[in-house]
Amino acid sequence: KAGVTQTPRYLIKTRGQQVTLSCSPISGHRSVSWYQQTPGQGLQFLFEYFSETQRNKGNFPGRFSGRQFSNSRSEMNVSTLELGDSALYLCASSLATDNEKLFFGSGTQLSVL
Amino acid sequence: GESVGLHLPTLSVQEGDNSIINCAYSNSASDYFIWYKQESGKGPQFIIDIRSNMDKRQGQRVTVLLNKTVKHLSLQIAATQPGDSAVYFCAELSQGGNTGKLIFGQGTTLQVKP
Repeated sequence: KAGVTQTPRYLIKTRGQQVTLSCSPISGHRSVSWYQQTPGQGLQFLFEYFSETQRNKGNFPGRFSGRQFSNSRSEMNVSTLELGDSALYLCASSLATDNEKLFFGSGTQLSVL
Repeated sequence: GESVGLHLPTLSVQEGDNSIINCAYSNSASDYFIWYKQESGKGPQFIIDIRSNMDKRQGQRVTVLLNKTVKHLSLQIAATQPGDSAVYFCAELSQGGNTGKLIFGQGTTLQVKP
């Protein structure tokens, strides 16, 4: 069974631009969560989707948004990029409806110049 | 507020020795805990989990201990191997609508000396 797949693996953007990251969960997993990982803040929860609905949201500004499609694939978007948005963005999927055991992808490394 | 912390940022052990990685959590409402291993360039990999109604759970070469009285979690790795070198994170989840929202600690880097 294929794991969680994230594309692209690396991205370089400049301030003010917007970016879209993609995540394909493990087959059969309906819940997808997104996390931001930085050396200073560690792993921080962004949001979680289940059956195309956002069920939970972390403490990030509205520039960070996401969505989930009917096939459970998910995208997250960051608009008006700032230097501080440089991070590894991780997607995780879960089988359980209460979303416990998360399986992570390898992430998208975003660099904002 | 909620926080999950690890006692040591770095742990260095000799190959073949046992490793113990510690984690303290502050939210007494947390009822599910996970340990993840993250190697360079990869996402966190699930190692083992434990629910709050248990105090010990064993996997292959790993054991997780949970002490709810002092809000302490530990990961024991038996016969540590070079492939165990990675950053280890503990994470907690409190039920009641916090779907997908794991709270992660800062991580402990395990270095295995040959």
